[in-house]
Amino acid sequence: NAGVTQTPKFRVLKTGQSMTLLCAQDMNHEYMYWYRQDPGMGLRLIHYSVGEGTTAKGEVPDGYNVSRLKKQNFLLGLESAAPSQTSVYFCASSRGLAGGGAKNIKYFGAGTRLSVL
Amino acid sequence: GQQLNQSPQSMFIQEGEDVSMNCTSSSIFNTWLWYKQDPGEGPVLLIALYKAGELTSNGRLTAQFGITRKDSFLNISASIPSDVGIYFCAGPLWSGGSQGNLIFGKGTKLSVKP
Repeated sequence: NAGVTQTPKFRVLKTGQSMTLLCAQDMNHEYMYWYRQDPGMGLRLIHYSVGEGTTAKGEVPDGYNVSRLKKQNFLLGLESAAPSQTSVYFCASSRGLAGGGAKNIKYFGAGTRLSVL
Repeated sequence: GQQLNQSPQSMFIQEGEDVSMNCTSSSIFNTWLWYKQDPGEGPVLLIALYKAGELTSNGRLTAQFGITRKDSFLNISASIPSDVGIYFCAGPLWSGGSQGNLIFGKGTKLSVKP
């Protein structure tokens, strides 16, 4: 998990509360991603960014917003947390999109474990 | 949506045994990746495959890119206790506006045989 740092590592929210998950990478990668991992579901893409100032929706974007104001940071926001958003959230980064060779390998952070009560 | 089907979902290993798992899709992929996730950690890349028929090793791990480009296999030889974890296959999806973002299988969980 070298190079991608997520904060916080754990968080408990009440329904309706808001919070921001922080992701920082020091590999000068253009692409950054937020995934959620639920038991038996694998990793599902929430939002991603192909460069500073850009964001795009992934597979499960509803209830989340993101911002990429600086190349090295990608923020994931929950405006009004719901119990269905209880999950483990992973940030990842890569030089390019997958399919183009080794430069496009994704590197993952250690995860943020979020519980919404 | 597009899915990668991993098999088996879980398995128990005894030290020294060989382990095999696979990943299949209804679509063609031009890249297959295998990740391992240890408890409480993020996934870490084990092996990347870029060409149909390619066979690549990383220590005791060997992965193959299926000839049909719709499947991939991961083998672990002479398993050891630290092999436990969840193994994910992943591949880039280009349809439906995904622009090559990775999709993941649901994982194969390796546990030590009691």
